[in-house]
Amino acid sequence: DAKTTQPNSMESNEEEPVHLPCNHSTISGTDYIHWYRQLPSQGPEYVIHGLTSNVNNRMASLAIAEDRKSSTLILHRATLRDAAVYYCILRDEWGGGSEKLVFGKGTKLTVNP
Amino acid sequence: KAGVTQTPRYLIKTRGQQVTLSCSPISGHRSVSWYQQTPGQGLQFLFEYFSETQRNKGNFPGRFSGRQFSNSRSEMNVSTLELGDSALYLCASSLGQGANSPLHFGNGTRLTVT
Repeated sequence: DAKTTQPNSMESNEEEPVHLPCNHSTISGTDYIHWYRQLPSQGPEYVIHGLTSNVNNRMASLAIAEDRKSSTLILHRATLRDAAVYYCILRDEWGGGSEKLVFGKGTKLTVNP
Repeated sequence: KAGVTQTPRYLIKTRGQQVTLSCSPISGHRSVSWYQQTPGQGLQFLFEYFSETQRNKGNFPGRFSGRQFSNSRSEMNVSTLELGDSALYLCASSLGQGANSPLHFGNGTRLTVT
């Protein structure tokens, strides 16, 4: 199963950019890179996803390395509400009966006021 | 548009009992997947359903089962509960069954087994 590796924790200051890295060296050509975040006592919230090209939405940007073995979630101006656990996962477009979605431990982001 | 709804939010059961958890996906979403979240193991995939068919299954014992109804609502059942089944059970729905469809999660059912 394709797995991801993320730092256990990161810290940022409010209104500064945050770059959350994710390594996925065993990614396959049909794996999409998804990012979710989870606040305490809530379910994960979708942030962004992409396949090969960099992606932007109202929440964040996703930068994908040319070889696709790593990616970076970019929060352009961190706010206190961005403090959460961030998960980087791979989802196989052609996953069959043996597909197992793998969530790692994620990165706990602390945002300092 | 209403989000994913999971009921109940909290549940306390004793060992050996069985439990049924319910998930109502976002209207129009046909794919529903289930996850178990514990502090030690993190988020683990249980199974995924699309149009009433189980599409994928995670590495859990047969005591864990699920189904999806024609209206896309889904239930999961855990029989012969064990203490280790205490966890937050999350349901997610998506518009399609492909990996290009984001998952939309509910807030989960917290199951405590005593």
